[in-house]
Amino acid sequence: AQSVTQLDSQVPVFEEAPVELRCNYSSSVSVYLFWYVQYPNQGLQLLLKYLSGSTLVKGINGFEAEFNKSQTSFHLRKPSVHISDTAEYFCAVSAGNQFYFGTGTSLTVIP
Amino acid sequence: EAQVTQNPRYLITVTGKKLTVTCSQNMNHEYMSWYRQDPGLGLRQIYYSMNVEVTDKGDVPEGYKVSRKEKRNFPLILESPSPNQTSLYFCASFGRPDTQYFGPGTRLTVL
Repeated sequence: AQSVTQLDSQVPVFEEAPVELRCNYSSSVSVYLFWYVQYPNQGLQLLLKYLSGSTLVKGINGFEAEFNKSQTSFHLRKPSVHISDTAEYFCAVSAGNQFYFGTGTSLTVIP
Repeated sequence: EAQVTQNPRYLITVTGKKLTVTCSQNMNHEYMSWYRQDPGLGLRQIYYSMNVEVTDKGDVPEGYKVSRKEKRNFPLILESPSPNQTSLYFCASFGRPDTQYFGPGTRLTVL
């Protein structure tokens, strides 16, 4: 079975500061990797995905993530956060026909 | 506009009273899936469907049923709901390449 670990449940960060949200996964097979964002009282929105090719993936809203196969990690980064980035962020792995999600990281941007 | 719709959005019911949450997508996707979201647990897959009349269990299928009689619809059925099924439910539709569109969510309370 696959598993996804988001190492930080809550991340407070000041506006315009950089942020990194960490994600590690375990899998014995090739996987696809995703980051989703969930704003309060809304569904999930895809931020970015890694399917193959370049290990640095750029997504919407200025976010990017780097796939590191040797460390089985897929950390999400943004060089300068805005108040509007305050939300819950989920890392997910697709293996076979199933999706596995981490428990989420709550990002709070402080003015 | 690509869309996944769920109904109802909010539901309060009592233990043992059968209920159905509908899910519909307009993208002609073959793959659809149901998740439940609980605090501290992230999203967990309940059931998924690879195509019409093809369904399979996810990580937490106990107490749930699904059907896929037509490609666009994938209802979630709780034959005898219990309080531990109080949760936020999301339907998702799988497109190519390997990305999911999520519905807006159904908040279910079982008393």
